[in-house]
Amino acid sequence: ETGVTQSPTHLIKTRGQQVTLRCSSQSGHNTVSWYQQALGQGPQFIFQYYREEENGRGNFPPRFSGLQFPNYSSELNVNALELDDSALYLCASSSDSNTEAFFGQGTRLTVV
Amino acid sequence: GENVEQHPSTLSVQEGDSAVIKCTYSDSASNYFPWYKQELGKGPQLIIDIRSNVGEKKDQRIAVTLNKTAKHFSLHITETQPEDSAVYFCAASLYGFQKLVFGTGTRLLVSP
Repeated sequence: ETGVTQSPTHLIKTRGQQVTLRCSSQSGHNTVSWYQQALGQGPQFIFQYYREEENGRGNFPPRFSGLQFPNYSSELNVNALELDDSALYLCASSSDSNTEAFFGQGTRLTVV
Repeated sequence: GENVEQHPSTLSVQEGDSAVIKCTYSDSASNYFPWYKQELGKGPQLIIDIRSNVGEKKDQRIAVTLNKTAKHFSLHITETQPEDSAVYFCAASLYGFQKLVFGTGTRLLVSP
């Protein structure tokens, strides 16, 4: 177990809806990254939060947004869901930039 | 930006054989190259990593080699066991442990 927990584990949403995914980082970790993993593919970097500020973003549209809270937990929000947003969403936490990133088990999002 | 290619996509070996997975990267500035193992229903787990100032690293049955000139790195697993069966991902980063760019994965099947 990595100590990184994500909720919910599975979620089904309708196209056009909005979704919020949550991540509780490992104790002592102040950096959280979110990745999208489509079926049969490697994870793709969405964005990273460091001490409550966005610290880098991958090639994802603005309808993907996030937050990091003072306790370093994090949320990923996706607006106007599309069918292609169906994927496993992974959260990874680390301490500053100098430690291994530990991944959670992910949230499986299905958009119908 | 960085692009990582991974081969083969599937690899079947007999228990006790060796397995080799290869990756190439495009950005010569990348300085960190981890390998992750992902089992069904779980998030990726770091199994070994290497930095750009090192050519080879070993950890028991697992080794990673890096050729910076050719921009490729490889994972070597010796004396494979059925519990090594999983999907393996290589990744590269310009930012140390963060903002990883993943390959497309290799499904390794070790038959008893």
